[in-house]
Amino acid sequence: AQSVTQLDSQVPVFEEAPVELRCNYSSSVSVYLFWYVQYPNQGLQLLLKYLSGSTLVESINGFEAEFNKSQTSFHLRKPSVHISDTAEYFCAVSNYNQGGKLIFGQGTELSVKP
Amino acid sequence: GAGVSQSPSNKVTEKGKDVELRCDPISGHTALYWYRQSLGQGLEFLIYFQGNSAPDKSGLPSDRFSAERTGGSVSTLTIQRTQQEDSAVYLCASSPQSSSIYFGEGSWLTVV
Repeated sequence: AQSVTQLDSQVPVFEEAPVELRCNYSSSVSVYLFWYVQYPNQGLQLLLKYLSGSTLVESINGFEAEFNKSQTSFHLRKPSVHISDTAEYFCAVSNYNQGGKLIFGQGTELSVKP
Repeated sequence: GAGVSQSPSNKVTEKGKDVELRCDPISGHTALYWYRQSLGQGLEFLIYFQGNSAPDKSGLPSDRFSAERTGGSVSTLTIQRTQQEDSAVYLCASSPQSSSIYFGEGSWLTVV
């Protein structure tokens, strides 16, 4: 069985500070890894994904995540956050052999303050 | 349409009534998923469709919950005899090849 642990339920930071949202997973098979973002009162949006190849993946708005197989981690980072990054962030894993079903972590609420 | 469309966006129903939630996936996406998001429970997988068949319905919480998909497109999630604990946001998602999954805005269900 697969599981995802997001180690921090809430992360408050000041604007322009760096941030890291931690995600660890457990799985006995190869997985795909995802980060989704949910802005207040909106649906889930795909932020970035790791399927194969380069272990460092980037989003269009400055976030990046690195797949670390030995540590079973997929932490999300941004060197300088904006107020508009305030949202809930979900890490997820899927196994292609299970139809791509996503297993989500509990979410991390990122709160960016001026 | 351009994205996954769900209706209704908001539904308030009385305990014991049946509700139907509709999902219109992205055109051409063969895989369709239903999830539930509620306080304290996070995001829970309910059911997965590949075409019109449901190879994985392991997340449906009880026999009051059912779902179908017709024509490889629209899906309906039905909750019979609703209970207050069914109050949640029901999210539908679709995928072309079971890699990237795209979510709709959700149907907010409140059972009073």
